[in-house]
Parts: sequence; C-alpha cells; structure tokens
Amino acid sequence: QKEVEQDPGPLSVPEGAIVSLNCTYSNSAFQYFMWYRQYSRKGPELLMYTYSSGNKEDGRFTAQVDKSSKYISLFIRDSQPSDSATYLCAMAPPGGFYFGSGTKLNVKP
Amino acid sequence: EPEVTQTPSHQVTQMGQEVILRCVPISNHLYFYWYRQILGQKVEFLVSFYNNEISEKSEIFDDQFSVERPDGSNFTLKIRSTKLEDSAMYFCASRGDQETQYFGPGTRLLVL
Repeated sequence: QKEVEQDPGPLSVPEGAIVSLNCTYSNSAFQYFMWYRQYSRKGPELLMYTYSSGNKEDGRFTAQVDKSSKYISLFIRDSQPSDSATYLCAMAPPGGFYFGSGTKLNVKP
Repeated sequence: EPEVTQTPSHQVTQMGQEVILRCVPISNHLYFYWYRQILGQKVEFLVSFYNNEISEKSEIFDDQFSVERPDGSNFTLKIRSTKLEDSAMYFCASRGDQETQYFGPGTRLLVL
C-alpha cells in the first residue's frame, strides 16, 4: 500500500468554480500536512501547511485535515486560469517527506 | 524573500560520468534535503541532512550517491557513476524549525 494516494487527474474546471483536491494516507504517524503547487518543469511551491485536524484558510485556499479518516483536502474558491498547475500533497514525519503523485488542474477561462 | 537556489539549471552528461549538483539553502535553515522527480512521475525523497550528517535516506540513495556541505552555504549531491535511469529533475529543499520545506527550482539532469 502506498504511503500517500492522490488522484492524478487531470481535473478540468471552468473559471470561478470551486476546486476540491484530495489525498489519503496510511501512516497514522504523519503529523504535518502540506500542499504544494508545481508548474511545469519548476520546483514545488509551498501553498499551505497544517499540523492538526480541522480547517485552515488563506485567501482563496482552504486546507482541511481529518486525521481520523486519514484524509486531507485542498479547496480553491473562485478558481482562476493562473491556478492551472499540478497540486501535490505532502506529509511528514517520520523519515523523510512523502509526496502524493500530484493532481493536474486545468482552469478554463 | 529568501529562496533556495540550485546550479546548474540543466546538466547533460555521459553514462558513467560523475556529476555534482549544487544547492544554496535558505541562510538560517539547518535541515537540507534532496529529491528527484523523473519526468511525469512523483517527487521522490532521496536524503535528509542535519548537523553535517545524513539523518534519513531512501532506498534510492545507494552507494553511487553522496551529499556534502563543503562550506557554510553550499549543499551538494554527487552521483558517482551516472546511469541512464538517473535522468530526472533533482530538487534541493531546506527548512528551519517548522516541518515545511522550501524547494529550489531544480536541476534537470540528462544522462546519455
């Protein structure tokens, strides 16, 4: 069983839509949960990180963690064409840093 | 805003040759990492480094790989005898006290 599972997409939505991106994980020892955005041929860029279960909001982005279900989500409100990228969930610790495979998002104008 | 930098941005090498990828982490960070991403695949953890020694490494990080912090600012990844399958994007990352890591722009390595 993979440590982190993420639907690779692609996910295509119209501009202005609410986007929901999700990851599941198997290791209950994970404590930190992060979302990164990666544009083509660029390094991952940190969007948000959370430590505990619950919601964290930053502008149009909301990160949600449900440790009991081992499930995390990233919501993007009022999506823009500039949000088109691959979104990676990541988790830590122990022992390194585990990424999901990434979900490719395309926001159509 | 401080950022992680990496050089070179692109490296082409012949199979069997040694390459050194360089990174300058964010200046007050103490934890350093290398990852690789084969084209179209997920980002994979290679190694973490703290207090001048390796703290964790993955199965990918075998004897052909080594890391070094030769001075107060650089963090390097050496691949001793490159193989075709080493072709990938290599990312350096660093962090401070928080678990969140900040990534560099990557070095694209192509082994011919």
